[in-house]
Amino acid sequence: AQSVAQPEDQVNVAEGNPLTVKCTYSVSGNPYLFWYVQYPNRGLQFLLKYITGDNLVKGSYGFEAEFNKSQTSFHLKKPSALVSDSALYFCAVRDAAAGNKLTFGGGTRVLVKP
Amino acid sequence: SQTIHQWPATLVQPVGSPLSLECTVEGTSNPNLYWYRQAAGRGLQLLFYSVGIGQISSEVPQNLSASRPQDRQFILSSKKLLLSDSGFYLCACFVRANTGELFFGEGSRLTVL
Repeated sequence: AQSVAQPEDQVNVAEGNPLTVKCTYSVSGNPYLFWYVQYPNRGLQFLLKYITGDNLVKGSYGFEAEFNKSQTSFHLKKPSALVSDSALYFCAVRDAAAGNKLTFGGGTRVLVKP
Repeated sequence: SQTIHQWPATLVQPVGSPLSLECTVEGTSNPNLYWYRQAAGRGLQLLFYSVGIGQISSEVPQNLSASRPQDRQFILSSKKLLLSDSGFYLCACFVRANTGELFFGEGSRLTVL
């Protein structure tokens, strides 16, 4: 069975500093990986995905993620964090063999301080 | 592009009462549809998914059921709510023709008292 781990419950960073949110995965075939962001009492918003191709994926709001097959990781990064980036971030892996359902990590809360 | 509508947005129900949460999708046809539950503002648990009308797959045994009476309608139900059914319920869709991400509705917050 596939799984996703987000080892940090919370990440604190000062505004303007680089932000990294960690994610590792376990899948039996090719990984289809996603990052989503959730603001309070809202649905999830798609940020970016890795399906194939370049290991560095660029997404919405200045976020990017690096796919590392040898380390089975897909860390989310932003070079300069904004206070408005404070939110809950989810990493997910898609199971194409089971209705394309997404399995999510436990989420990482990001707090960007001014 | 597709839009997902969920209602009601907020619901407070007594223990033992029935439940019906509705999700409808616009702007696409023949989507895969999903119900997720988020407890305590953290992790997401997949409850049900559907690849077509009348086709429901259940991920975990529970007090809830799902139905898909129409192509773009997905309903989450319960005959008798439990306190543990409280949570934030999210409907999502996957369009086979798109590039792979799920789109989410804005959620329905259920409080069981």
